[in-house]
Amino acid sequence: ELKVEQNPLFLSMQEGKNYTIYCNYSTTSDRLYWYRQDPGKSLESLFVLLSNGAVKQEGRLMASLDTKARLSTLHITAAVHDLSATYFCAVDSNYQLIWGAGTKLIIKP
Amino acid sequence: SQTIHQWPATLVQPVGSPLSLECTVEGTSNPNLYWYRQAAGRGLQLLFYSVGIGQISSEVPQNLSASRPQDRQFILSSKKLLLSDSGFYLCAWSVVRGTIYFGEGSWLTVV
Repeated sequence: ELKVEQNPLFLSMQEGKNYTIYCNYSTTSDRLYWYRQDPGKSLESLFVLLSNGAVKQEGRLMASLDTKARLSTLHITAAVHDLSATYFCAVDSNYQLIWGAGTKLIIKP
Repeated sequence: SQTIHQWPATLVQPVGSPLSLECTVEGTSNPNLYWYRQAAGRGLQLLFYSVGIGQISSEVPQNLSASRPQDRQFILSSKKLLLSDSGFYLCAWSVVRGTIYFGEGSWLTVV
């Protein structure tokens, strides 16, 4: 059974700082997704990573995938308050997505 | 382009009352459709998914049911709501092994 673990589950940081959210999964998979959820809102797709070594960047967010280590990272560069949200990773397993518990990110001015 | 509509956005229902949440997708054919639930401050729980009309798979035992009467319509129902059914319900769609796209969600409070 595929398990997906995110850490940290909660992160409070100052604007301007860099930080990384980690997503580990327990069995082989070739695609991984990152989503963002604002408080009280639905989920928005950020990135889909399809191969080992894949790297995607959008603004201050950069996601990468290491299928050998079964690890994806979401790196935040020079954080701004607008990036405050909960971030979920999800891993494809037999045509279903297995979701991490989410990382609640609070960025303080 | 594809869009997904979900309604109602919010509802407050008494315990024991019925429930119907509806979702439609536009701009695509034969999508995979999903119902998820999210308790307050928690992660996502897959309730049902469907790969075609009349084909429903249930992921967890519960007093909810789902139906797919048309290719792009997905309905979540209950005959008698429980307090534990409160939460944020999300409809979603995807193509096979593609990104899942979510509707705006429905907040259900059972009182």
